[in-house]
Amino acid sequence: DTAVSQTPKYLVTQMGNDKSIKCEQNLGHDTMYWYKQDSKKFLKIMFSYNNKELIINETVPNRFSPKSPDKAHLNLHINSLELGDSAVYFCASSPGQGAETQYFGPGTRLLVL
Amino acid sequence: RKEVEQDPGPFNVPEGATVAFNCTYSNSASQSFFWYRQDCRKEPKLLMSVYSSGNEDGRFTAQLNRASQYISLLIRDSKLSDSATYLCVVNINGNNRKLIWGLGTSLAVNP
Repeated sequence: DTAVSQTPKYLVTQMGNDKSIKCEQNLGHDTMYWYKQDSKKFLKIMFSYNNKELIINETVPNRFSPKSPDKAHLNLHINSLELGDSAVYFCASSPGQGAETQYFGPGTRLLVL
Repeated sequence: RKEVEQDPGPFNVPEGATVAFNCTYSNSASQSFFWYRQDCRKEPKLLMSVYSSGNEDGRFTAQLNRASQYISLLIRDSKLSDSATYLCVVNINGNNRKLIWGLGTSLAVNP
């Protein structure tokens, strides 16, 4: 059973399009995260939700909008995609809000052409 | 100074070698420290937490030096399967809500 799953695994799209990435965790965790890992392999947190409430919102363009319908799901919608959005997006979850172990999904490889 | 800094490597070592990585952090109030491992084109996975007194898990030993603000990871008897990128992770400002990730140290264990 996959603990943290993301769909799609690969996403190739044109500049200006709108796309969504979905994430689900079956670990019963309270907190979920979105990270961006760019071509230089730098892993940077974008958002964090705890029980559907936004708790971390880093300096991310407002073209990125997370949505958490329940604590097991955290989706990421991106409007007006730009070339610089090309990266691997990882979803993760952790039991609480603390700096404890985070469990990552397999990643979504986004390529904007 | 970067919040979390690692030597990117790559470290190329033969099987059976002992290799050590260091990671420095800038904020003295940091409280939680971890080593994650990331295989090529895969997600990061927790290797081990780092405790104040140091801790060991099989061939892996992690240590924390608060005075000099660095953590280390020692791998003994390297295996081919240890080839990966090792990410140093620190919580900053004692803020338990956010972790800061290093860029990682690349290790290649050669036969």
